[in-house]
Amino acid sequence: EDKVVQSPLSLVVHEGDTVTLNCSYEVTNFRSLLWYKQEKKAPTFLFMLTSSGIEKKSGRLSSILDKKELFSILNITATQTGDSAVYLCASNAGGTSYGKLTFGQGTILTVHP
Amino acid sequence: GAGVSQSPSNKVTEKGKDVELRCDPISGHTALYWYRQSLGQGLEFLIYFQGNSAPDKSGLPSDRFSAERTGGSVSTLTIQRTQQEDSAVYLCASSFRTDYYEQYFGPGTRLTVT
Repeated sequence: EDKVVQSPLSLVVHEGDTVTLNCSYEVTNFRSLLWYKQEKKAPTFLFMLTSSGIEKKSGRLSSILDKKELFSILNITATQTGDSAVYLCASNAGGTSYGKLTFGQGTILTVHP
Repeated sequence: GAGVSQSPSNKVTEKGKDVELRCDPISGHTALYWYRQSLGQGLEFLIYFQGNSAPDKSGLPSDRFSAERTGGSVSTLTIQRTQQEDSAVYLCASSFRTDYYEQYFGPGTRLTVT
């Protein structure tokens, strides 16, 4: 069974801090890894990673995938209170699981002013 | 353009009643997915559609759950004889296709079974 594990489960920081969120996966027929931000109901897409070692960047957020060690990290620099949310990591596999995302438990990030 | 929309946004129903949840995907997206998020739990996959076909129904919790999609667009998730453990947020997502395309989520339907 495919499995995605995130750490830490929760994190409290102050504005301006840099945070690193971790995601490890055990997936048969791995295709891609995705990061989402969930503030209220709808998870908002952040990144999709398919290749090892290629950093994806959007503003203060960046992410990278290591397909050998089976993990990904999401970095947020110069955090702001608006970054407070649950960050979700998900894997997408092929084979009979084609199309299905397997999610981790999420990391709850709280940024204090 | 418009994102994924879901209706109703909230639904309170009595145990034993049937409910229908609706999802309108992003225009042009051929793939549509249903997930469930229970209190304190991660997102749980239920079913996905490629066009009107559902190749993977493995996540449906029981035979009380069913889903259909017509015209390659709108999808309905039906829960028959609702139970209290069905209470959750039901999220719908769509993507251009299933392979290597990110999924975009709707706002969800919060279902409460009393």
